Amino acid sequence: DAGITQSPRHKVTETGTPVTLRCHQTENHRYMYWYRQDPGHGLRLIHYSYGVKDTDKGEVSDGYSVSRSKTEDFLLTLESATSSQTSVYFCAISVGRGSNQPQHFGDGTRLSIL
Amino acid sequence: DQQVKQNSPSLSVQEGRISILNCDYTNSMFDYFLWYKKYPAEGPTFLISISSIKDKNEDGRFTVFLNKSAKHLSLHIVPSQPGDSAVYFCAASSQGAQKLVFGQGTRLTINP
Repeated sequence: DAGITQSPRHKVTETGTPVTLRCHQTENHRYMYWYRQDPGHGLRLIHYSYGVKDTDKGEVSDGYSVSRSKTEDFLLTLESATSSQTSVYFCAISVGRGSNQPQHFGDGTRLSIL
Repeated sequence: DQQVKQNSPSLSVQEGRISILNCDYTNSMFDYFLWYKKYPAEGPTFLISISSIKDKNEDGRFTVFLNKSAKHLSLHIVPSQPGDSAVYFCAASSQGAQKLVFGQGTRLTINP
């Protein structure tokens, strides 16, 4: 158990509303990631963080922002949700030191935008 | 541009037989490869990995083979069990990148 909690687990909202997803870890790992999973695409990286206030864009970052004010929390925000952002969102952490380390995932947030 | 590809969306195997899942990549800078298993309504679970300095890594029933010249890796599961029914993702990263690139996934079904 990598000690990752995602909240909420499910959310239904309307187009144009802001949405924030939270990822919480209990083990002070430096690297945290947000992915989305869609049929036919596998998991695609949205944003990642390599420390408090240190973040960078991933492959599909348009329409998303992130914040990391504490080591244990990594927030993903959709400023104005669109139907194309309906997806399952996964948070991950990289355990161990150095490169070539596996990532461990939370159980996901299923987000539906109507 | 899909840098990591799993060309088989699904695979069906008899219980007790060998399951072989395949993955191809295009980026020659990738030097670390992983396989994940995913059950419905759960996050992906790390299974096994291999560094580019090796061509094989084994962990119990799971073996990953890497063919760098062909830019191809495969996951062998022997013997296959009903609990192995899941979606399997391969992933890759390059030195120091700390980021993974995933394939589309292959749904494995083990039939009794």
